[in-house]
Amino acid sequence: DVKVTQSSRYLVKRTGEKVFLECVQDMDHENMFWYRQDPGLGLRLIYFSYDVKMKEKGDIPEGYSVSREKKERFSLILESASTNQTSMYLCASTESLANEQFFGPGTRLTVL
Amino acid sequence: DQQVKQNSPSLSVQEGRISILNCDYTNSMFDYFLWYKKYPAEGPTFLISISSIKDKNEDGRFTVFLNKSAKHLSLHIVPSQPGDSAVYFCAASEGSGNTGKLIFGQGTTLQVKP
Repeated sequence: DVKVTQSSRYLVKRTGEKVFLECVQDMDHENMFWYRQDPGLGLRLIYFSYDVKMKEKGDIPEGYSVSREKKERFSLILESASTNQTSMYLCASTESLANEQFFGPGTRLTVL
Repeated sequence: DQQVKQNSPSLSVQEGRISILNCDYTNSMFDYFLWYKKYPAEGPTFLISISSIKDKNEDGRFTVFLNKSAKHLSLHIVPSQPGDSAVYFCAASEGSGNTGKLIFGQGTTLQVKP
């Protein structure tokens, strides 16, 4: 059974803080993704990675960066958090880009 | 610009009846489509997919229909069960899914009443 875990379920940060969201998968998947989910907008892709130290921009990368130092771990970084980054953040992984993605439980981030 | 649209934010059906969730897309390059189900406080889970070379795919109580000319797909759940109550997202991809980039719709909240 694929397990994708995210470091926090809920997080509250202040404007301007640097925020790290961590994601770990235990199935040796090559590909990992970060999405944000907002009401009325569905899930939007922020960044993805198809290999260690590789990253690709998604549809809304502005204000975010990522790090993939190890195959099982994919981190999303908010360099200077802003209130419009308050959202549900979802991490996903997949063995092959053509396969379905497996999601973590999400991190609800609130930026005050 | 929303390339994948689920125009019904919510749907309520009686247990045992059919649930039909709809999804429209605008990008004619999309050739791989998926449905995900999401319970509160959990991540989305994959439900069923369809390639553009097919017009129907079935998996138990779940059937997805694809109408390429209308750029429309639908998910049928028969019979609906209370445990099906969740948010359903449709998603689309180009390149037979090999790009890995999924474009999601806004989601439809399904409530199945006992």
